[in-house]
Amino acid sequence: GDSVTQTEGPVTLSEGTSLTVNCSYETKQYPTLFWYVQYPGEGPQLLFKVPKANEKGSNRGFEATYNKEATSFHLQKASVQESDSAVYYCALGDRGGNYKPTFGKGTSLVVHP
Amino acid sequence: GPKVLQIPSHQIIDMGQMVTLNCDPVSNHLYFYWYKQILGQQMEFLVNFYNGKVMEKSKLFKDQFSVERPDGSYFTLKIQPTALEDSAVYFCASSFAGNYAEQFFGPGTRLTVL
Repeated sequence: GDSVTQTEGPVTLSEGTSLTVNCSYETKQYPTLFWYVQYPGEGPQLLFKVPKANEKGSNRGFEATYNKEATSFHLQKASVQESDSAVYYCALGDRGGNYKPTFGKGTSLVVHP
Repeated sequence: GPKVLQIPSHQIIDMGQMVTLNCDPVSNHLYFYWYKQILGQQMEFLVNFYNGKVMEKSKLFKDQFSVERPDGSYFTLKIQPTALEDSAVYFCASSFAGNYAEQFFGPGTRLTVL
């Protein structure tokens, strides 16, 4: 079946430093890839999605490139802020008959001022 | 943007009682999901529901759990009877299409079983 593996947290950074959260996936289909963010006390919300290989998604300074050859979708941000502290989930959805996206285990990010 | 509502936001019940968690999904959505998140842990998939049927469920979706959406009203998760290990935040989500579409999540219902 499909699977998503991402950086194990927590990831602790100082404000202004750069972030990379690794995401690798396995599927026999051609998936759409997602990053969701969950702030404390809230439900997850979509950060961005990318349906096509070799394209980049971005939002709020975060970005990720759909690398089909490497089966990766790493999340990056050049300069994190304290307000970026949250849990980040990588997910994939394919058109192969599955009815639910497959989520990674989530990566907790803590940014100190 | 579209919003998913969950009622109640917090429920406290005694072990062995029945509880129903309610979800008001985005109005034109067709796929509905429940997830469970124990405090401090990852969010985990429970079940998804489409066209009046459970399409897929995880091993966390015990026999004591059931879901339904009668007549297009609330999408509900019922637990009967509850157990201590059911204490968690339950998130409802909905999407217009299946697995390749964006899911919209509600704010969660915090269930405390005493």
